Amino acid sequence: SAVISQKPSRDICQRGTSLTIQCQVDSQVTMMFWYRQQPGQSLTLIATANQGSEATYESGFVIDKFPISRPNLTFSTLTVSNMSPEDSSIYLCSVVIQGDTEAFFGQGTRLTVV
Amino acid sequence: QKEVEQDPGPLSVPEGAIVSLNCTYSNSAFQYFMWYRQYSRKGPELLMYTYSSGNKEDGRFTAQVDKSSKYISLFIRDSQPSDSATYLCAMSAGGMRFGAGTRLTVKP
Repeated sequence: SAVISQKPSRDICQRGTSLTIQCQVDSQVTMMFWYRQQPGQSLTLIATANQGSEATYESGFVIDKFPISRPNLTFSTLTVSNMSPEDSSIYLCSVVIQGDTEAFFGQGTRLTVV
Repeated sequence: QKEVEQDPGPLSVPEGAIVSLNCTYSNSAFQYFMWYRQYSRKGPELLMYTYSSGNKEDGRFTAQVDKSSKYISLFIRDSQPSDSATYLCAMSAGGMRFGAGTRLTVKP
């Protein structure tokens, strides 16, 4: 298993500002992912954070809006840039330890944009 | 059509009831099937996973996969108030896809 520390756990931000979310894992992992979870909707993959190279973004998500860093095998950040109320959501980081059979999640960051 | 369909509920049952949670999917390439439990203000935690078709049991929880029908289920026996949470199905074939989650409340 993996222990994932994600922070902040919640934040209320002003429109137009940016927020950086941090994800720290207690062991080295190859694959780290960032998800968005909106009320009543399934988890949506934003991007895969690749160590040593640019993140791989899913359709509908772009680097300018959601820049991601992955400086090493235990840490990643997701920035939500130029926020609008539509960005209000829960953001989760996730890691896969063994193939793609077991994914572990951080506790999430509840973001409210006002 | 979504790749994974899951009834969001909410579902409310009395303590001790048998709970049945279900998902359907459209992508026949999915090979790994998982159930996650998510308590309020927490991240999802893995409950069970199965590979391909069949049943898997772990205590009060049983996961079933029917690939011919593209249908998976999670059964909870002797449900407890502590089982109250949102349950998400997930499946993968090189990339994970999640259901919307079913909110379950078990009333004492």
